[in-house]
Amino acid sequence: GAVVSQHPSRVICKSGTSVKIECRSLDFQATTMFWYRQFPKQSLMLMATSNEGSKATYEQGVEKDKFLINHASLTLSTLTVTSAHPEDSSFYICSAREGPNTEAFFGQGTRLTVV
Amino acid sequence: AQKITQTQPGMFVQEKEAVTLDCTYDTSDPSYGLFWYKQPSSGEMIFLIYQGSYDQQNATEGRYSLNFQKARKSANLVISASQLGDSAMYFCAMTPQYTGRRALTFGSGTRLQVQP
Repeated sequence: GAVVSQHPSRVICKSGTSVKIECRSLDFQATTMFWYRQFPKQSLMLMATSNEGSKATYEQGVEKDKFLINHASLTLSTLTVTSAHPEDSSFYICSAREGPNTEAFFGQGTRLTVV
Repeated sequence: AQKITQTQPGMFVQEKEAVTLDCTYDTSDPSYGLFWYKQPSSGEMIFLIYQGSYDQQNATEGRYSLNFQKARKSANLVISASQLGDSAMYFCAMTPQYTGRRALTFGSGTRLQVQP
């Protein structure tokens, strides 16, 4: 089946630095990818929709200058958390669908800890 | 707009028994897809089952079945013969049908604990 790979799975960074998270669709082309954030014991909240070759669409309340999304190819989307702060510590997970009426495939997730 | 409601924060079930996890939804889309995902403590999201709003029959996948009642706007997950490995968070989700460009909207989840 289709696979989405996310890297890194865990990252610890210092406050004020930037962190890049990669999301790859391994065996299908994904014109659209989705980035979610999940706090402990909570549900997945959509942050943004990443569109290949165009600007991402951010959900209300998500700072686009802080969470930079780049979708430069049909198999790769990246999320960069800029000037990270402890409150950005969370579980970030990407997703892509092979087509309509199919399930969404998820990456393994990235647990970000900002110290 | 779409909304998913899961009213059971936690559920317990004895091993080998069946359990039903509740999910109700609301949407203005004329056609939509409903999903259930399992999230173990590792964090990965595991797809379990899918139901299209115009599918005539309820979906089944092995030990998982989806009790879809369109008029009541409910899409409950039934797990038969529970196993210890079923202990995890379970999320109900939905998206408009016939497009892959819309994200899934998730419910708040139900934590299932299977007891030996």
